[in-house]
Amino acid sequence: GESVGLHLPTLSVQEGDNSIINCAYSNSASDYFIWYKQESGKGPQFIIDIRSNMDKRQGQRVTVLLNKTVKHLSLQIAATQPGDSAVYFCAETGEWGAQKLVFGQGTRLTINP
Amino acid sequence: DAGVIQSPRHEVTEMGQEVTLRCKPISGHNSLFWYRQTMMRGLELLIYFNNNVPIDDSGMPEDRFSAKMPNASFSTLKIQPSEPRDSAVYFCASSSTHYEQYFGPGTRLTVT
Repeated sequence: GESVGLHLPTLSVQEGDNSIINCAYSNSASDYFIWYKQESGKGPQFIIDIRSNMDKRQGQRVTVLLNKTVKHLSLQIAATQPGDSAVYFCAETGEWGAQKLVFGQGTRLTINP
Repeated sequence: DAGVIQSPRHEVTEMGQEVTLRCKPISGHNSLFWYRQTMMRGLELLIYFNNNVPIDDSGMPEDRFSAKMPNASFSTLKIQPSEPRDSAVYFCASSSTHYEQYFGPGTRLTVT
């Protein structure tokens, strides 16, 4: 079946460095992608989204890149801070329609002081 | 503004008991989602409602699980009877758009 997966389950970076979290998706029909951040003991929190008709979108310290040719999604976090330590999930709408999100397995990002 | 509210935050029960999880979505949101999160399976959608009507319950594991949304401000997820393999964190999320979902803090369920 269709799936959303992540290349790396864990990632450690030094505080102040930039980080890149990657995600591979398999459903070419997906038209919307979202990145969520989940801190320990909390629910996932929306970070940034991108539609399939775009290849880049920027937020505050975050940038999402979409490469539909290779079905790849990435989240770039600039100048990482200790508060960025969390598990990051990508999600796609999948073939069942816009409201039903399919989540990836998640990547744990650790910011080292 | 209050976000999605879930209760209880923690629930420990014995196998065979009935468990009821509760959710209050953000006021004005017309879509509500129930998810389950485990280490093995990640975050899975169980069921979602639009305007209090169940739209897709294909993620509900089996007949022991049921969900209701009697009005726009309240939903329940019930497990009867509960089993140890139901142990997980259950999240409720709500949305006013097609895409951006706001998650509650979750209910950590432990079935012994």
